[in-house]
Amino acid sequence: DTGVSQDPRHKITKRGQNVTFRCDPISEHNRLYWYRQTLGQGPEFLTYFQNEAQLEKSRLLSDRFSAERPKGSFSTLEIQRTEQGDSAMYLCASSLPRTWGTGQEGQETQYFGPGTRLLVL
Amino acid sequence: LAKTTQPISMDSYEGQEVNITCSHNNIATNDYITWYQQFPSQGPRFIIQGYKTKVTNEVASLFIPADRKSSTLSLPRVSLSDTAVYYCLVGDPNFGNEKLTFGTGTRLTIIP
Repeated sequence: DTGVSQDPRHKITKRGQNVTFRCDPISEHNRLYWYRQTLGQGPEFLTYFQNEAQLEKSRLLSDRFSAERPKGSFSTLEIQRTEQGDSAMYLCASSLPRTWGTGQEGQETQYFGPGTRLLVL
Repeated sequence: LAKTTQPISMDSYEGQEVNITCSHNNIATNDYITWYQQFPSQGPRFIIQGYKTKVTNEVASLFIPADRKSSTLSLPRVSLSDTAVYYCLVGDPNFGNEKLTFGTGTRLTIIP
């Protein structure tokens, strides 16, 4: 399977603990996004990488959250001192940017992983 | 980004055509309309994208009127496996950060 993979798929932790999630994008994709999804809502953007550079962070990403993509391939999302409100599905997506002048129109297609479901007790 | 409005839920019987309409009254000139599908415990999956008139692919059609203030996703002859949440998104392909902005989507339930 050459799609986006995420690990772990499920995580249960106690309030105050740190957790780390991993995302492996599609190999040739240099853009990587993290989203968070709570029950009954659509995914919300958290942060975005182009290669190893983190180019944007949402206001949703508090100081307890940190994301890295050290070699421009896989990415990790760490949550420190977890709170019950952090319980959600954390989704990773990757994409291949379009090229100017090639007739590629529209927004780029993002390919999502299966997500990591976090439950903070 | 333009805000979208969709029905919260819809039911349909197997074999029927399903049309899900999305309103986006504030759509900007450069915005495209994109639909994603999400099954339980999975990430969203791209279905179709369009700018105006009609777009068709192997799974769906997208109808966009001339004023572009709404769009309709059409799923032909649905089956039980089409039960999912469908999201309508609008956005500007600025070739930069193309984060997606999802609404609450339409939960489609197919009835046997």
